[in-house]
Amino acid sequence: GQSLEQPSEVTAVEGAIVQINCTYQTSGFYGLSWYQQHDGGAPTFLSYNALDGLEETGRFSSFLSRSDSYGYLLLQELQMKDSASYFCAVIPGDDKIIFGKGTRLHILP
Amino acid sequence: EPEVTQTPSHQVTQMGQEVILRCVPISNHLYFYWYRQILGQKVEFLVSFYNNEISEKSEIFDDQFSVERPDGSNFTLKIRSTKLEDSAMYFCASSEARPRVYEQYFGPGTRLTVT
Repeated sequence: GQSLEQPSEVTAVEGAIVQINCTYQTSGFYGLSWYQQHDGGAPTFLSYNALDGLEETGRFSSFLSRSDSYGYLLLQELQMKDSASYFCAVIPGDDKIIFGKGTRLHILP
Repeated sequence: EPEVTQTPSHQVTQMGQEVILRCVPISNHLYFYWYRQILGQKVEFLVSFYNNEISEKSEIFDDQFSVERPDGSNFTLKIRSTKLEDSAMYFCASSEARPRVYEQYFGPGTRLTVT
């Protein structure tokens, strides 16, 4: 089976840094993606890790440890517009993505 | 910037009726997908489609569901006899060829309400 675990909610202060963790257990694994979804909106792609290590894209970074079946999304210099749900998503192979249940990020002014 | 479009934005139907949800993927993309999201829950994979055939489907995608690419631009999801539990947001997505399956572009969704 496939399972992904991430916290249901995280709260942080504007301007701060927040880390959203994800652990996974899947029958196959090609890589880990992160998607952002604002209320009422569609998921939008943020990042992808196929190999161990850190990938940086502006204020967002994503990390993967394949041996630990673990990854995280790091958001720096938080802005109010970053308030959204963040989904980790595993590509188990073939042509699909398995999404986690999402982490709702609340940002306080 | 190219985008995935979906119609209608909201569909209300009675239980037992057939519905067709429509999507226009990004023109140079080769892989197409349908996902659903029940309000407040995670995004669930339904089906992927490549080279005019289903390449992968989930256990949710039973005989009630079908997909079609009737022409060079549209991609449709049909639900033959809707049930109350089919009420959800349905997202279409597309991606370039492998290995970029991980980067999928989602449409704005169709909210399906079954009464």
